[in-house]
Amino acid sequence: DGGITQSPKYLFRKEGQNVTLSCEQNLNHDAMYWYRQDPGQGLRLIYYSQIVNDFQKGDIAEGYSVSREKKESFPLTVTSAQKNPTAFYLCASGRGWYEQFFGPGTRLTVL
Amino acid sequence: GEDVEQSLFLSVREGDSSVINCTYTDSSSTYLYWYKQEPGAGLQLLTYIFSNMDMKQDQRLTVLLNKKDKHLSLRIADTQTGDSAIYFCAESVNNAGNMLTFGGGTRLMVKP
Repeated sequence: DGGITQSPKYLFRKEGQNVTLSCEQNLNHDAMYWYRQDPGQGLRLIYYSQIVNDFQKGDIAEGYSVSREKKESFPLTVTSAQKNPTAFYLCASGRGWYEQFFGPGTRLTVL
Repeated sequence: GEDVEQSLFLSVREGDSSVINCTYTDSSSTYLYWYKQEPGAGLQLLTYIFSNMDMKQDQRLTVLLNKKDKHLSLRIADTQTGDSAIYFCAESVNNAGNMLTFGGGTRLMVKP
């Protein structure tokens, strides 16, 4: 089946640790995106990549890093520099103007 | 700049119609979208409309676009309890690649 997978579904992190969230797609999409969702709020764009080996900062990139070494994969690292990382993280992929497909999300909690 | 706004909450009775509204500010929007998010899940694309269209209907869903007023609405006919979710509108802008700007979401509660 084609789709986007994110892992893990739940992630707990101690303060000061870096953690990496996985996002994989087998839809053959060129573009991939990371969003952050806080309770009662919409989605805010962290990073996006429109092609392999290239990525751009979104609206709230500080404290995050990404890589895009393969078309299928776009991992997000939440670094210790991110002051308030507890949130729901959504990955998406897309092709053209008209649709982004979303993964099921990873809920990150900082202990 | 881009800004997409929605009301926070809507409550309807099962079988009634629901109308969720959205306003946007960027007049160069290319496509406008409605996504549905169930608790603890990702977003599911429900429908989208190209900016040169006024209306799009897809089974129980009707999207109306008033480009002059920059107003988008989603009507769900015969609303069911399974329609309870958060609904996001989003816009893509021609000069911004494939990026979307999302509204804050409207929580729809359907009472039996």
